[in-house]
Amino acid sequence: DQQVKQNSPSLSVQEGRISILNCDYTNSMFDYFLWYKKYPAEGPTFLISISSIKDKNEDGRFTVFLNKSAKHLSLHIVPSQPGDSAVYFCAALSSGNTPLVFGKGTRLSVIA
Amino acid sequence: KAGVTQTPRYLIKTRGQQVTLSCSPISGHRSVSWYQQTPGQGLQFLFEYFSETQRNKGNFPGRFSGRQFSNSRSEMNVSTLELGDSALYLCASSTGYGYTFGSGTRLTVV
Repeated sequence: DQQVKQNSPSLSVQEGRISILNCDYTNSMFDYFLWYKKYPAEGPTFLISISSIKDKNEDGRFTVFLNKSAKHLSLHIVPSQPGDSAVYFCAALSSGNTPLVFGKGTRLSVIA
Repeated sequence: KAGVTQTPRYLIKTRGQQVTLSCSPISGHRSVSWYQQTPGQGLQFLFEYFSETQRNKGNFPGRFSGRQFSNSRSEMNVSTLELGDSALYLCASSTGYGYTFGSGTRLTVV
């Protein structure tokens, strides 16, 4: 039973345009969400996070939106750059010492 | 500030053997989690240790085990290796909501 779902295995975007990566979750106890970027044969690198008390968090070119009623979050990258090409993982946490739960990832390709 | 260190980076083992992977967390972090990454399966949670005690466990067979030492360093062990155990094994150290990952150990079972 997948609690965090990334339904798009891959996404291709032209350089300079917006990339939108989506994530859905089923567990209403999740109260903190994170996005990680991962290159092959390396560990995931933290990108941006959002608490369930907010609906938006922005950091430079990266913005995460949270829609709690829809149990949906999205990561926007504007403008997309070739160096953004990687696998992006959505992850979720609930308070109370439970493990970080990941989606299966979306491979983003930014084409120059 | 040193990051999370995983050793070795690469391993090749034969079916039936056992393997031990090591993880040194960020100084001051008392929680260490282990994940397995295989193609198409994302990061699957193995177990988490906090102050030398297993706090959470994922849905993996008993061949997968771990431990944590008093200095927070952690090891995971896989016994009776199977071909399907070939994967990237990732360790994360955490404090609160902040999780930092190591570069992983690439295990190949032949």
